[in-house]
Amino acid sequence: QKEVEQNSGPLSVPEGAIASLNCTYSDRGSQSFFWYRQYSGKSPELIMFIYSNGDKEDGRFTAQLNKASQYVSLLIRDSQPSDSATYLCAVEGTGGFKTIFGAGTRLFVKA
Amino acid sequence: DVKVTQSSRYLVKRTGEKVFLECVQDMDHENMFWYRQDPGLGLRLIYFSYDVKMKEKGDIPEGYSVSREKKERFSLILESASTNQTSMYLCASSGIAGGREQYFGPGTRLTVT
Repeated sequence: QKEVEQNSGPLSVPEGAIASLNCTYSDRGSQSFFWYRQYSGKSPELIMFIYSNGDKEDGRFTAQLNKASQYVSLLIRDSQPSDSATYLCAVEGTGGFKTIFGAGTRLFVKA
Repeated sequence: DVKVTQSSRYLVKRTGEKVFLECVQDMDHENMFWYRQDPGLGLRLIYFSYDVKMKEKGDIPEGYSVSREKKERFSLILESASTNQTSMYLCASSGIAGGREQYFGPGTRLTVT
């Protein structure tokens, strides 16, 4: 079983819709969770991080964390074609330092 | 803004050559990381360092070594390059205060022929 799992996609949504990206993780002791966006040919850039159960909102992005279910999600409201990218879920393992990345979900937003 | 720079964007080397990839960060971060990224395999951790002269193996350290003589600089060394080391190499850094989000350099696409 992979430590951080994401649906590879592609996930295709129309412009203006809500895109929902999901991630599960196996280490119950994990405390820090991150979402990165990676455009084709570019390096990952941080979108959001979340530490506590519940929702965290930043502009059009909302991260959701459910530690009991070992589940993290990212919602993108009012999706734009510029949101088309691969989204990486990352989980910091117990003890810190080492972060495990999922393989990413490719998102296409159709104009 | 955090800035992480890598010595080359593209590199072509021959099998058996010794290859040096350098990474420099300007945010006084304690932690630095080297990853490789391959299609379908995602980001895989090669080595990381949490302090000067300290290093820890990641998930795929075979065929690689690292050096961290100064806090801002973390070097990845391919002792004898092989074709299966053709990949995108990404360096990242993170601090220990607050969140430990990682900031990535632009990447080096290495081709070994």
